[in-house]
Amino acid sequence: EVQLVESGGGLVQPGRSLKLSCVASGFTFSNYGMNWIRQAPGKGLEWVAYISSGSSYIYYAETVKGRFTISRDNAKNTLYLQMTSLRSEDTALYYCARRGIRGTYYFDYWGQGVMVTVSS
Amino acid sequence: DIQMTQSPASLSASLEEIVTITCQASQDIGNWLSWYQQKPGKSPQLLIYGATSLADGVPSRFSGSRSGTQYSLKISRLQVEDIGIYYCLQAYSAPPTFGGGTKLELK
Repeated sequence: EVQLVESGGGLVQPGRSLKLSCVASGFTFSNYGMNWIRQAPGKGLEWVAYISSGSSYIYYAETVKGRFTISRDNAKNTLYLQMTSLRSEDTALYYCARRGIRGTYYFDYWGQGVMVTVSS
Repeated sequence: DIQMTQSPASLSASLEEIVTITCQASQDIGNWLSWYQQKPGKSPQLLIYGATSLADGVPSRFSGSRSGTQYSLKISRLQVEDIGIYYCLQAYSAPPTFGGGTKLELK
């Protein structure tokens, strides 16, 4: 069974940093591209970042570029999101999601999400 | 960025009714369109990928179609467990962008 379990969220002051983790199990992690997607309270979904299976390709949303860094450790089956210079508008539930491999680009499995609250 | 205009924003329907949700892309996205269901308090789940392919384990009452740059998700016979918010996603070009969502409720 595919499982994605996020951790590392919490309450943080504006301008500070936080690092999220997503531990994967039930599949060969090193074969799949991975994503971070977020959802502000009561709002819709926003894609945040993508990293390819071997970390060769990395993309960010303009809203987080230069502040967030996505990375992965295939030996530990873990995806990361280092968030710096956090702003109130970064407050959201952050999901990690696996990229499906049947042709087009889509998210076939999602974690349960981890909450990040940026407030003084 | 490619804009995905999803409609309606909310929808109230009866059990066994046919429900259709649409997403209009601001430009050609081919079949790079997927649909997700988010039940209350849960993470989104994949329903349809490649515009028309049913994801593993998804009931056959769900189907996806495409007409030019307009994409549709159809639920052939609405069930109680189908209540939630539905999102489309285009991933033809970066950044991937979601539609605004359709909140589906029971009448």
